[in-house]
Amino acid sequence: EADIYQTPRYLVIGTGKKITLECSQTMGHDKMYWYQQDPGMELHLIHYSYGVNSTEKGDLSSESTVSRIRTEHFPLTLESARPSHTSQYLCASSDGRGTEAFFGQGTRLTVV
Amino acid sequence: TQLLEQSPQFLSIQEGENLTVYCNSSSVFSSLQWYRQEPGEGPVLLVTVVTGGEVKKLKRLTFQFGDARKDSSLHITAAQPGDTGLYLCAGAVFNKFYFGSGTKLNVKP
Repeated sequence: EADIYQTPRYLVIGTGKKITLECSQTMGHDKMYWYQQDPGMELHLIHYSYGVNSTEKGDLSSESTVSRIRTEHFPLTLESARPSHTSQYLCASSDGRGTEAFFGQGTRLTVV
Repeated sequence: TQLLEQSPQFLSIQEGENLTVYCNSSSVFSSLQWYRQEPGEGPVLLVTVVTGGEVKKLKRLTFQFGDARKDSSLHITAAQPGDTGLYLCAGAVFNKFYFGSGTKLNVKP
């Protein structure tokens, strides 16, 4: 059982608001990832981190930003939400071997 | 550009039937994973295959990694309604995970 948690599970917010999606893992994994997924579709990597103070943009361009101040915590921030940001956001982590990723339950974001 | 191609995209079968889902790529992966995802939830890891030619069994599910580590298959024997979901394959390259577009399986009772 993977110990990775995302909050909130669901968020409905107005255009222009600033939001932060939380992701925490208790497995001591160095590598963490954020994926964006539209319903029933593939996952697109938007951010990743290989350790504290390390963050990189993924293959899908995103207006969001991330930070990695602590190993267990990898929050994602949108400074000004827009309806085009409506999607499911999935956080994952991986151990040093990098052979498998464990996912949180996701945050479904709706921007109205 | 889609790194991993999954087929079929959709599959609707009767309970008790067998099925195979394919995951293909022109790239070589250090490992390949299969996940199952329920609507509104995160993907749940089913299996990881690492060695070319490797076969792993998980109850009624059989996973195979191609000899060249570019492709994989998932075979389900005697499918049950509880197997319904989105099946995703993912390949690991330099500590990043690339996902296929998924196979939506519906098993009718």
